[in-house]
Amino acid sequence: DAKTTQPTSMDCAEGRAANLPCNHSTISGNEYVYWYRQIHSQGPQYIIHGLKNNETNEMASLIITEDRKSSTLILPHATLRDTAVYYCIVRVSSNRDDKIIFGKGTRLHILP
Amino acid sequence: NAGVTQTPKFQVLKTGQSMTLQCAQDMNHEYMSWYRQDPGMGLRLIHYSVGAGITDQGEVPNGYNVSRSTTEDFPLRLLSAAPSQTSVYFCASSPRTGQNIQYFGAGTRLSVL
Repeated sequence: DAKTTQPTSMDCAEGRAANLPCNHSTISGNEYVYWYRQIHSQGPQYIIHGLKNNETNEMASLIITEDRKSSTLILPHATLRDTAVYYCIVRVSSNRDDKIIFGKGTRLHILP
Repeated sequence: NAGVTQTPKFQVLKTGQSMTLQCAQDMNHEYMSWYRQDPGMGLRLIHYSVGAGITDQGEVPNGYNVSRSTTEDFPLRLLSAAPSQTSVYFCASSPRTGQNIQYFGAGTRLSVL
């Protein structure tokens, strides 16, 4: 699986959009970009994933650059409950190998 | 649906003791995994299973055993606990089809004295 690079921490004002970047310059053509988050003391939670098109769901939007070497997770109206560690993971969506390798992620602080 | 259930939530062991961390899921997911998380670090994969009767090692398998006799259960065994195994342990499951999104349990906080 390709490696990812994320900033260690970020701050965002409550009510503003939080934009979390992720670099994955060695991504392969069949690898997806997944985002999970972990709120303090809880298990990780799936947010969104995509291959090359931008994706949106009820939690967030995912913007993937045309060359697929980087992506941005957008939380459109951040709340205090969005304070968490956010993990960007690149992997093949495969039926045979379910390993997910987590890095250290980005610690997002939502400021009141 | 209970999702992924881990028991116990907290456990304190003495060095050398053995114990089993339980993980059960009621979503009929084929894939299950165990991770540990140490302070200031991300999750590290211990063992995983792609189906009943099949297990494989992750990044940090030493000191842990697993088995998968049923689809629902994936216990993690510590045969002789060491202080280095003090950590928070998370179990996860995912379906075999398509996108392999993982669903995590609430975690077991283990201290080895």
